Amino acid sequence: DQQVKQNSPSLSVQEGRISILNCDYTNSMFDYFLWYKKYPAEGPTFLISISSIKDKNEDGRFTVFLNKSAKHLSLHIVPSQPGDSAVYFCAASETGGSYIPTFGRGTSLIVHP
Amino acid sequence: EADIYQTPRYLVIGTGKKITLECSQTMGHDKMYWYQQDPGMELHLIHYSYGVNSTEKGDLSSESTVSRIRTEHFPLTLESARPSHTSQYLCASSGGWGYTFGSGTRLTVV
Repeated sequence: DQQVKQNSPSLSVQEGRISILNCDYTNSMFDYFLWYKKYPAEGPTFLISISSIKDKNEDGRFTVFLNKSAKHLSLHIVPSQPGDSAVYFCAASETGGSYIPTFGRGTSLIVHP
Repeated sequence: EADIYQTPRYLVIGTGKKITLECSQTMGHDKMYWYQQDPGMELHLIHYSYGVNSTEKGDLSSESTVSRIRTEHFPLTLESARPSHTSQYLCASSGGWGYTFGSGTRLTVV
């Protein structure tokens, strides 16, 4: 039973356009959310995070939005670049619990030149 | 420059062999983790440690074992490798809410 769901296995966008990656969660106790980026044959690297006390966090071209009532978060990449092509994992944790993140299955983003 | 190191990067080994996957970090983190990940699937936690001489099993049942004799070192051992152990193994450490991952070991058991 997946507690963190990334329902789109893949996403293809044109360079310069916006990429929107979505993530849904079922556990209402989750209150800290992270996005990781993973290239083939490499380990995931931390991208951006958001606490449940906020609904938006921005870092350069990357913005994460959190809708707690819908248990939904999204990662926006603007503008998308070919180097952004990777698998993006959404993760959620419970700061009052073990705080070990639960990961989704990832979305493979391909940015075409 | 990586602060958490995994060796080997790739390993092809025969069924029944004993193997140890190495993981070392230079950040002084107390918390370390092992994940298993197959393509298109989520990262599954198989072991974690909150400090020296502390090890726990994760959510995914695994036939592997781990040890934590030194803060910086968290090796994973398979006593008898089987084809079902073929996967990517990712080591991570944490000093706060985020993880730093190693580059992973791609294990193939033939």
